[in-house]
Amino acid sequence: DAGVIQSPRHEVTEMGQEVTLRCKPISGHDYLFWYRQTMMRGLELLIYFNNNVPIDDSGMPEDRFSAKMPNASFSTLKIQPSEPRDSAVYFCASRARGQNNHQKQFFGPGTRLTVL
Amino acid sequence: AQSVTQLDSQVPVFEEAPVELRCNYSSSVSVYLFWYVQYPNQGLQLLLKYLSGSTLVKGINGFEAEFNKSQTSFHLRKPSVHISDTAEYFCAVTPSGGYQKVTFGTGTKLQVIP
Repeated sequence: DAGVIQSPRHEVTEMGQEVTLRCKPISGHDYLFWYRQTMMRGLELLIYFNNNVPIDDSGMPEDRFSAKMPNASFSTLKIQPSEPRDSAVYFCASRARGQNNHQKQFFGPGTRLTVL
Repeated sequence: AQSVTQLDSQVPVFEEAPVELRCNYSSSVSVYLFWYVQYPNQGLQLLLKYLSGSTLVKGINGFEAEFNKSQTSFHLRKPSVHISDTAEYFCAVTPSGGYQKVTFGTGTKLQVIP
């Protein structure tokens, strides 16, 4: 299995531009999580999906952030318009249902976003 | 709500020396606890987890952690570190009732010195 795939790995953009981060979870996993990692705040959960449905988006910082999961194999995190304070590493993770895999999340390599 | 405190942001240690990375949590309900490791330029990997049973949990790469309910701690230890253990380590907690939200600590950077 290729693991969780994220693209792009690096993104540099100017303030005000739209940014779209992509994630392909591990096949068969029914939970998908988006995290943001910064030096100041550590690792924060932004939103998670179960069976393509958003369950908890309380971590989404503001309306500029939106996430979708149109099908079981693809999710996007969009920032519009982007701001310098959005600069961070964004991780996607997925998890399978089942007692043996209880709570074990598999993380992607992350997207390093820099907003100038 | 749960919270996790990792008191040390950076821990330098000489190669082959023992190390302990501290983690304290707070929660009004019973919890599951985790340690994740992040190597440079990589995502997080699960190191070990405590769900129930024995309070001493063994993980990969020779790491272990002990759950102490009275002290609300879940410290990570290794008796002899290697250069390859240089990474950032995250403690995490989630309610044991099945809710999926995991709260992470701010991380501890372990720097192994040759």
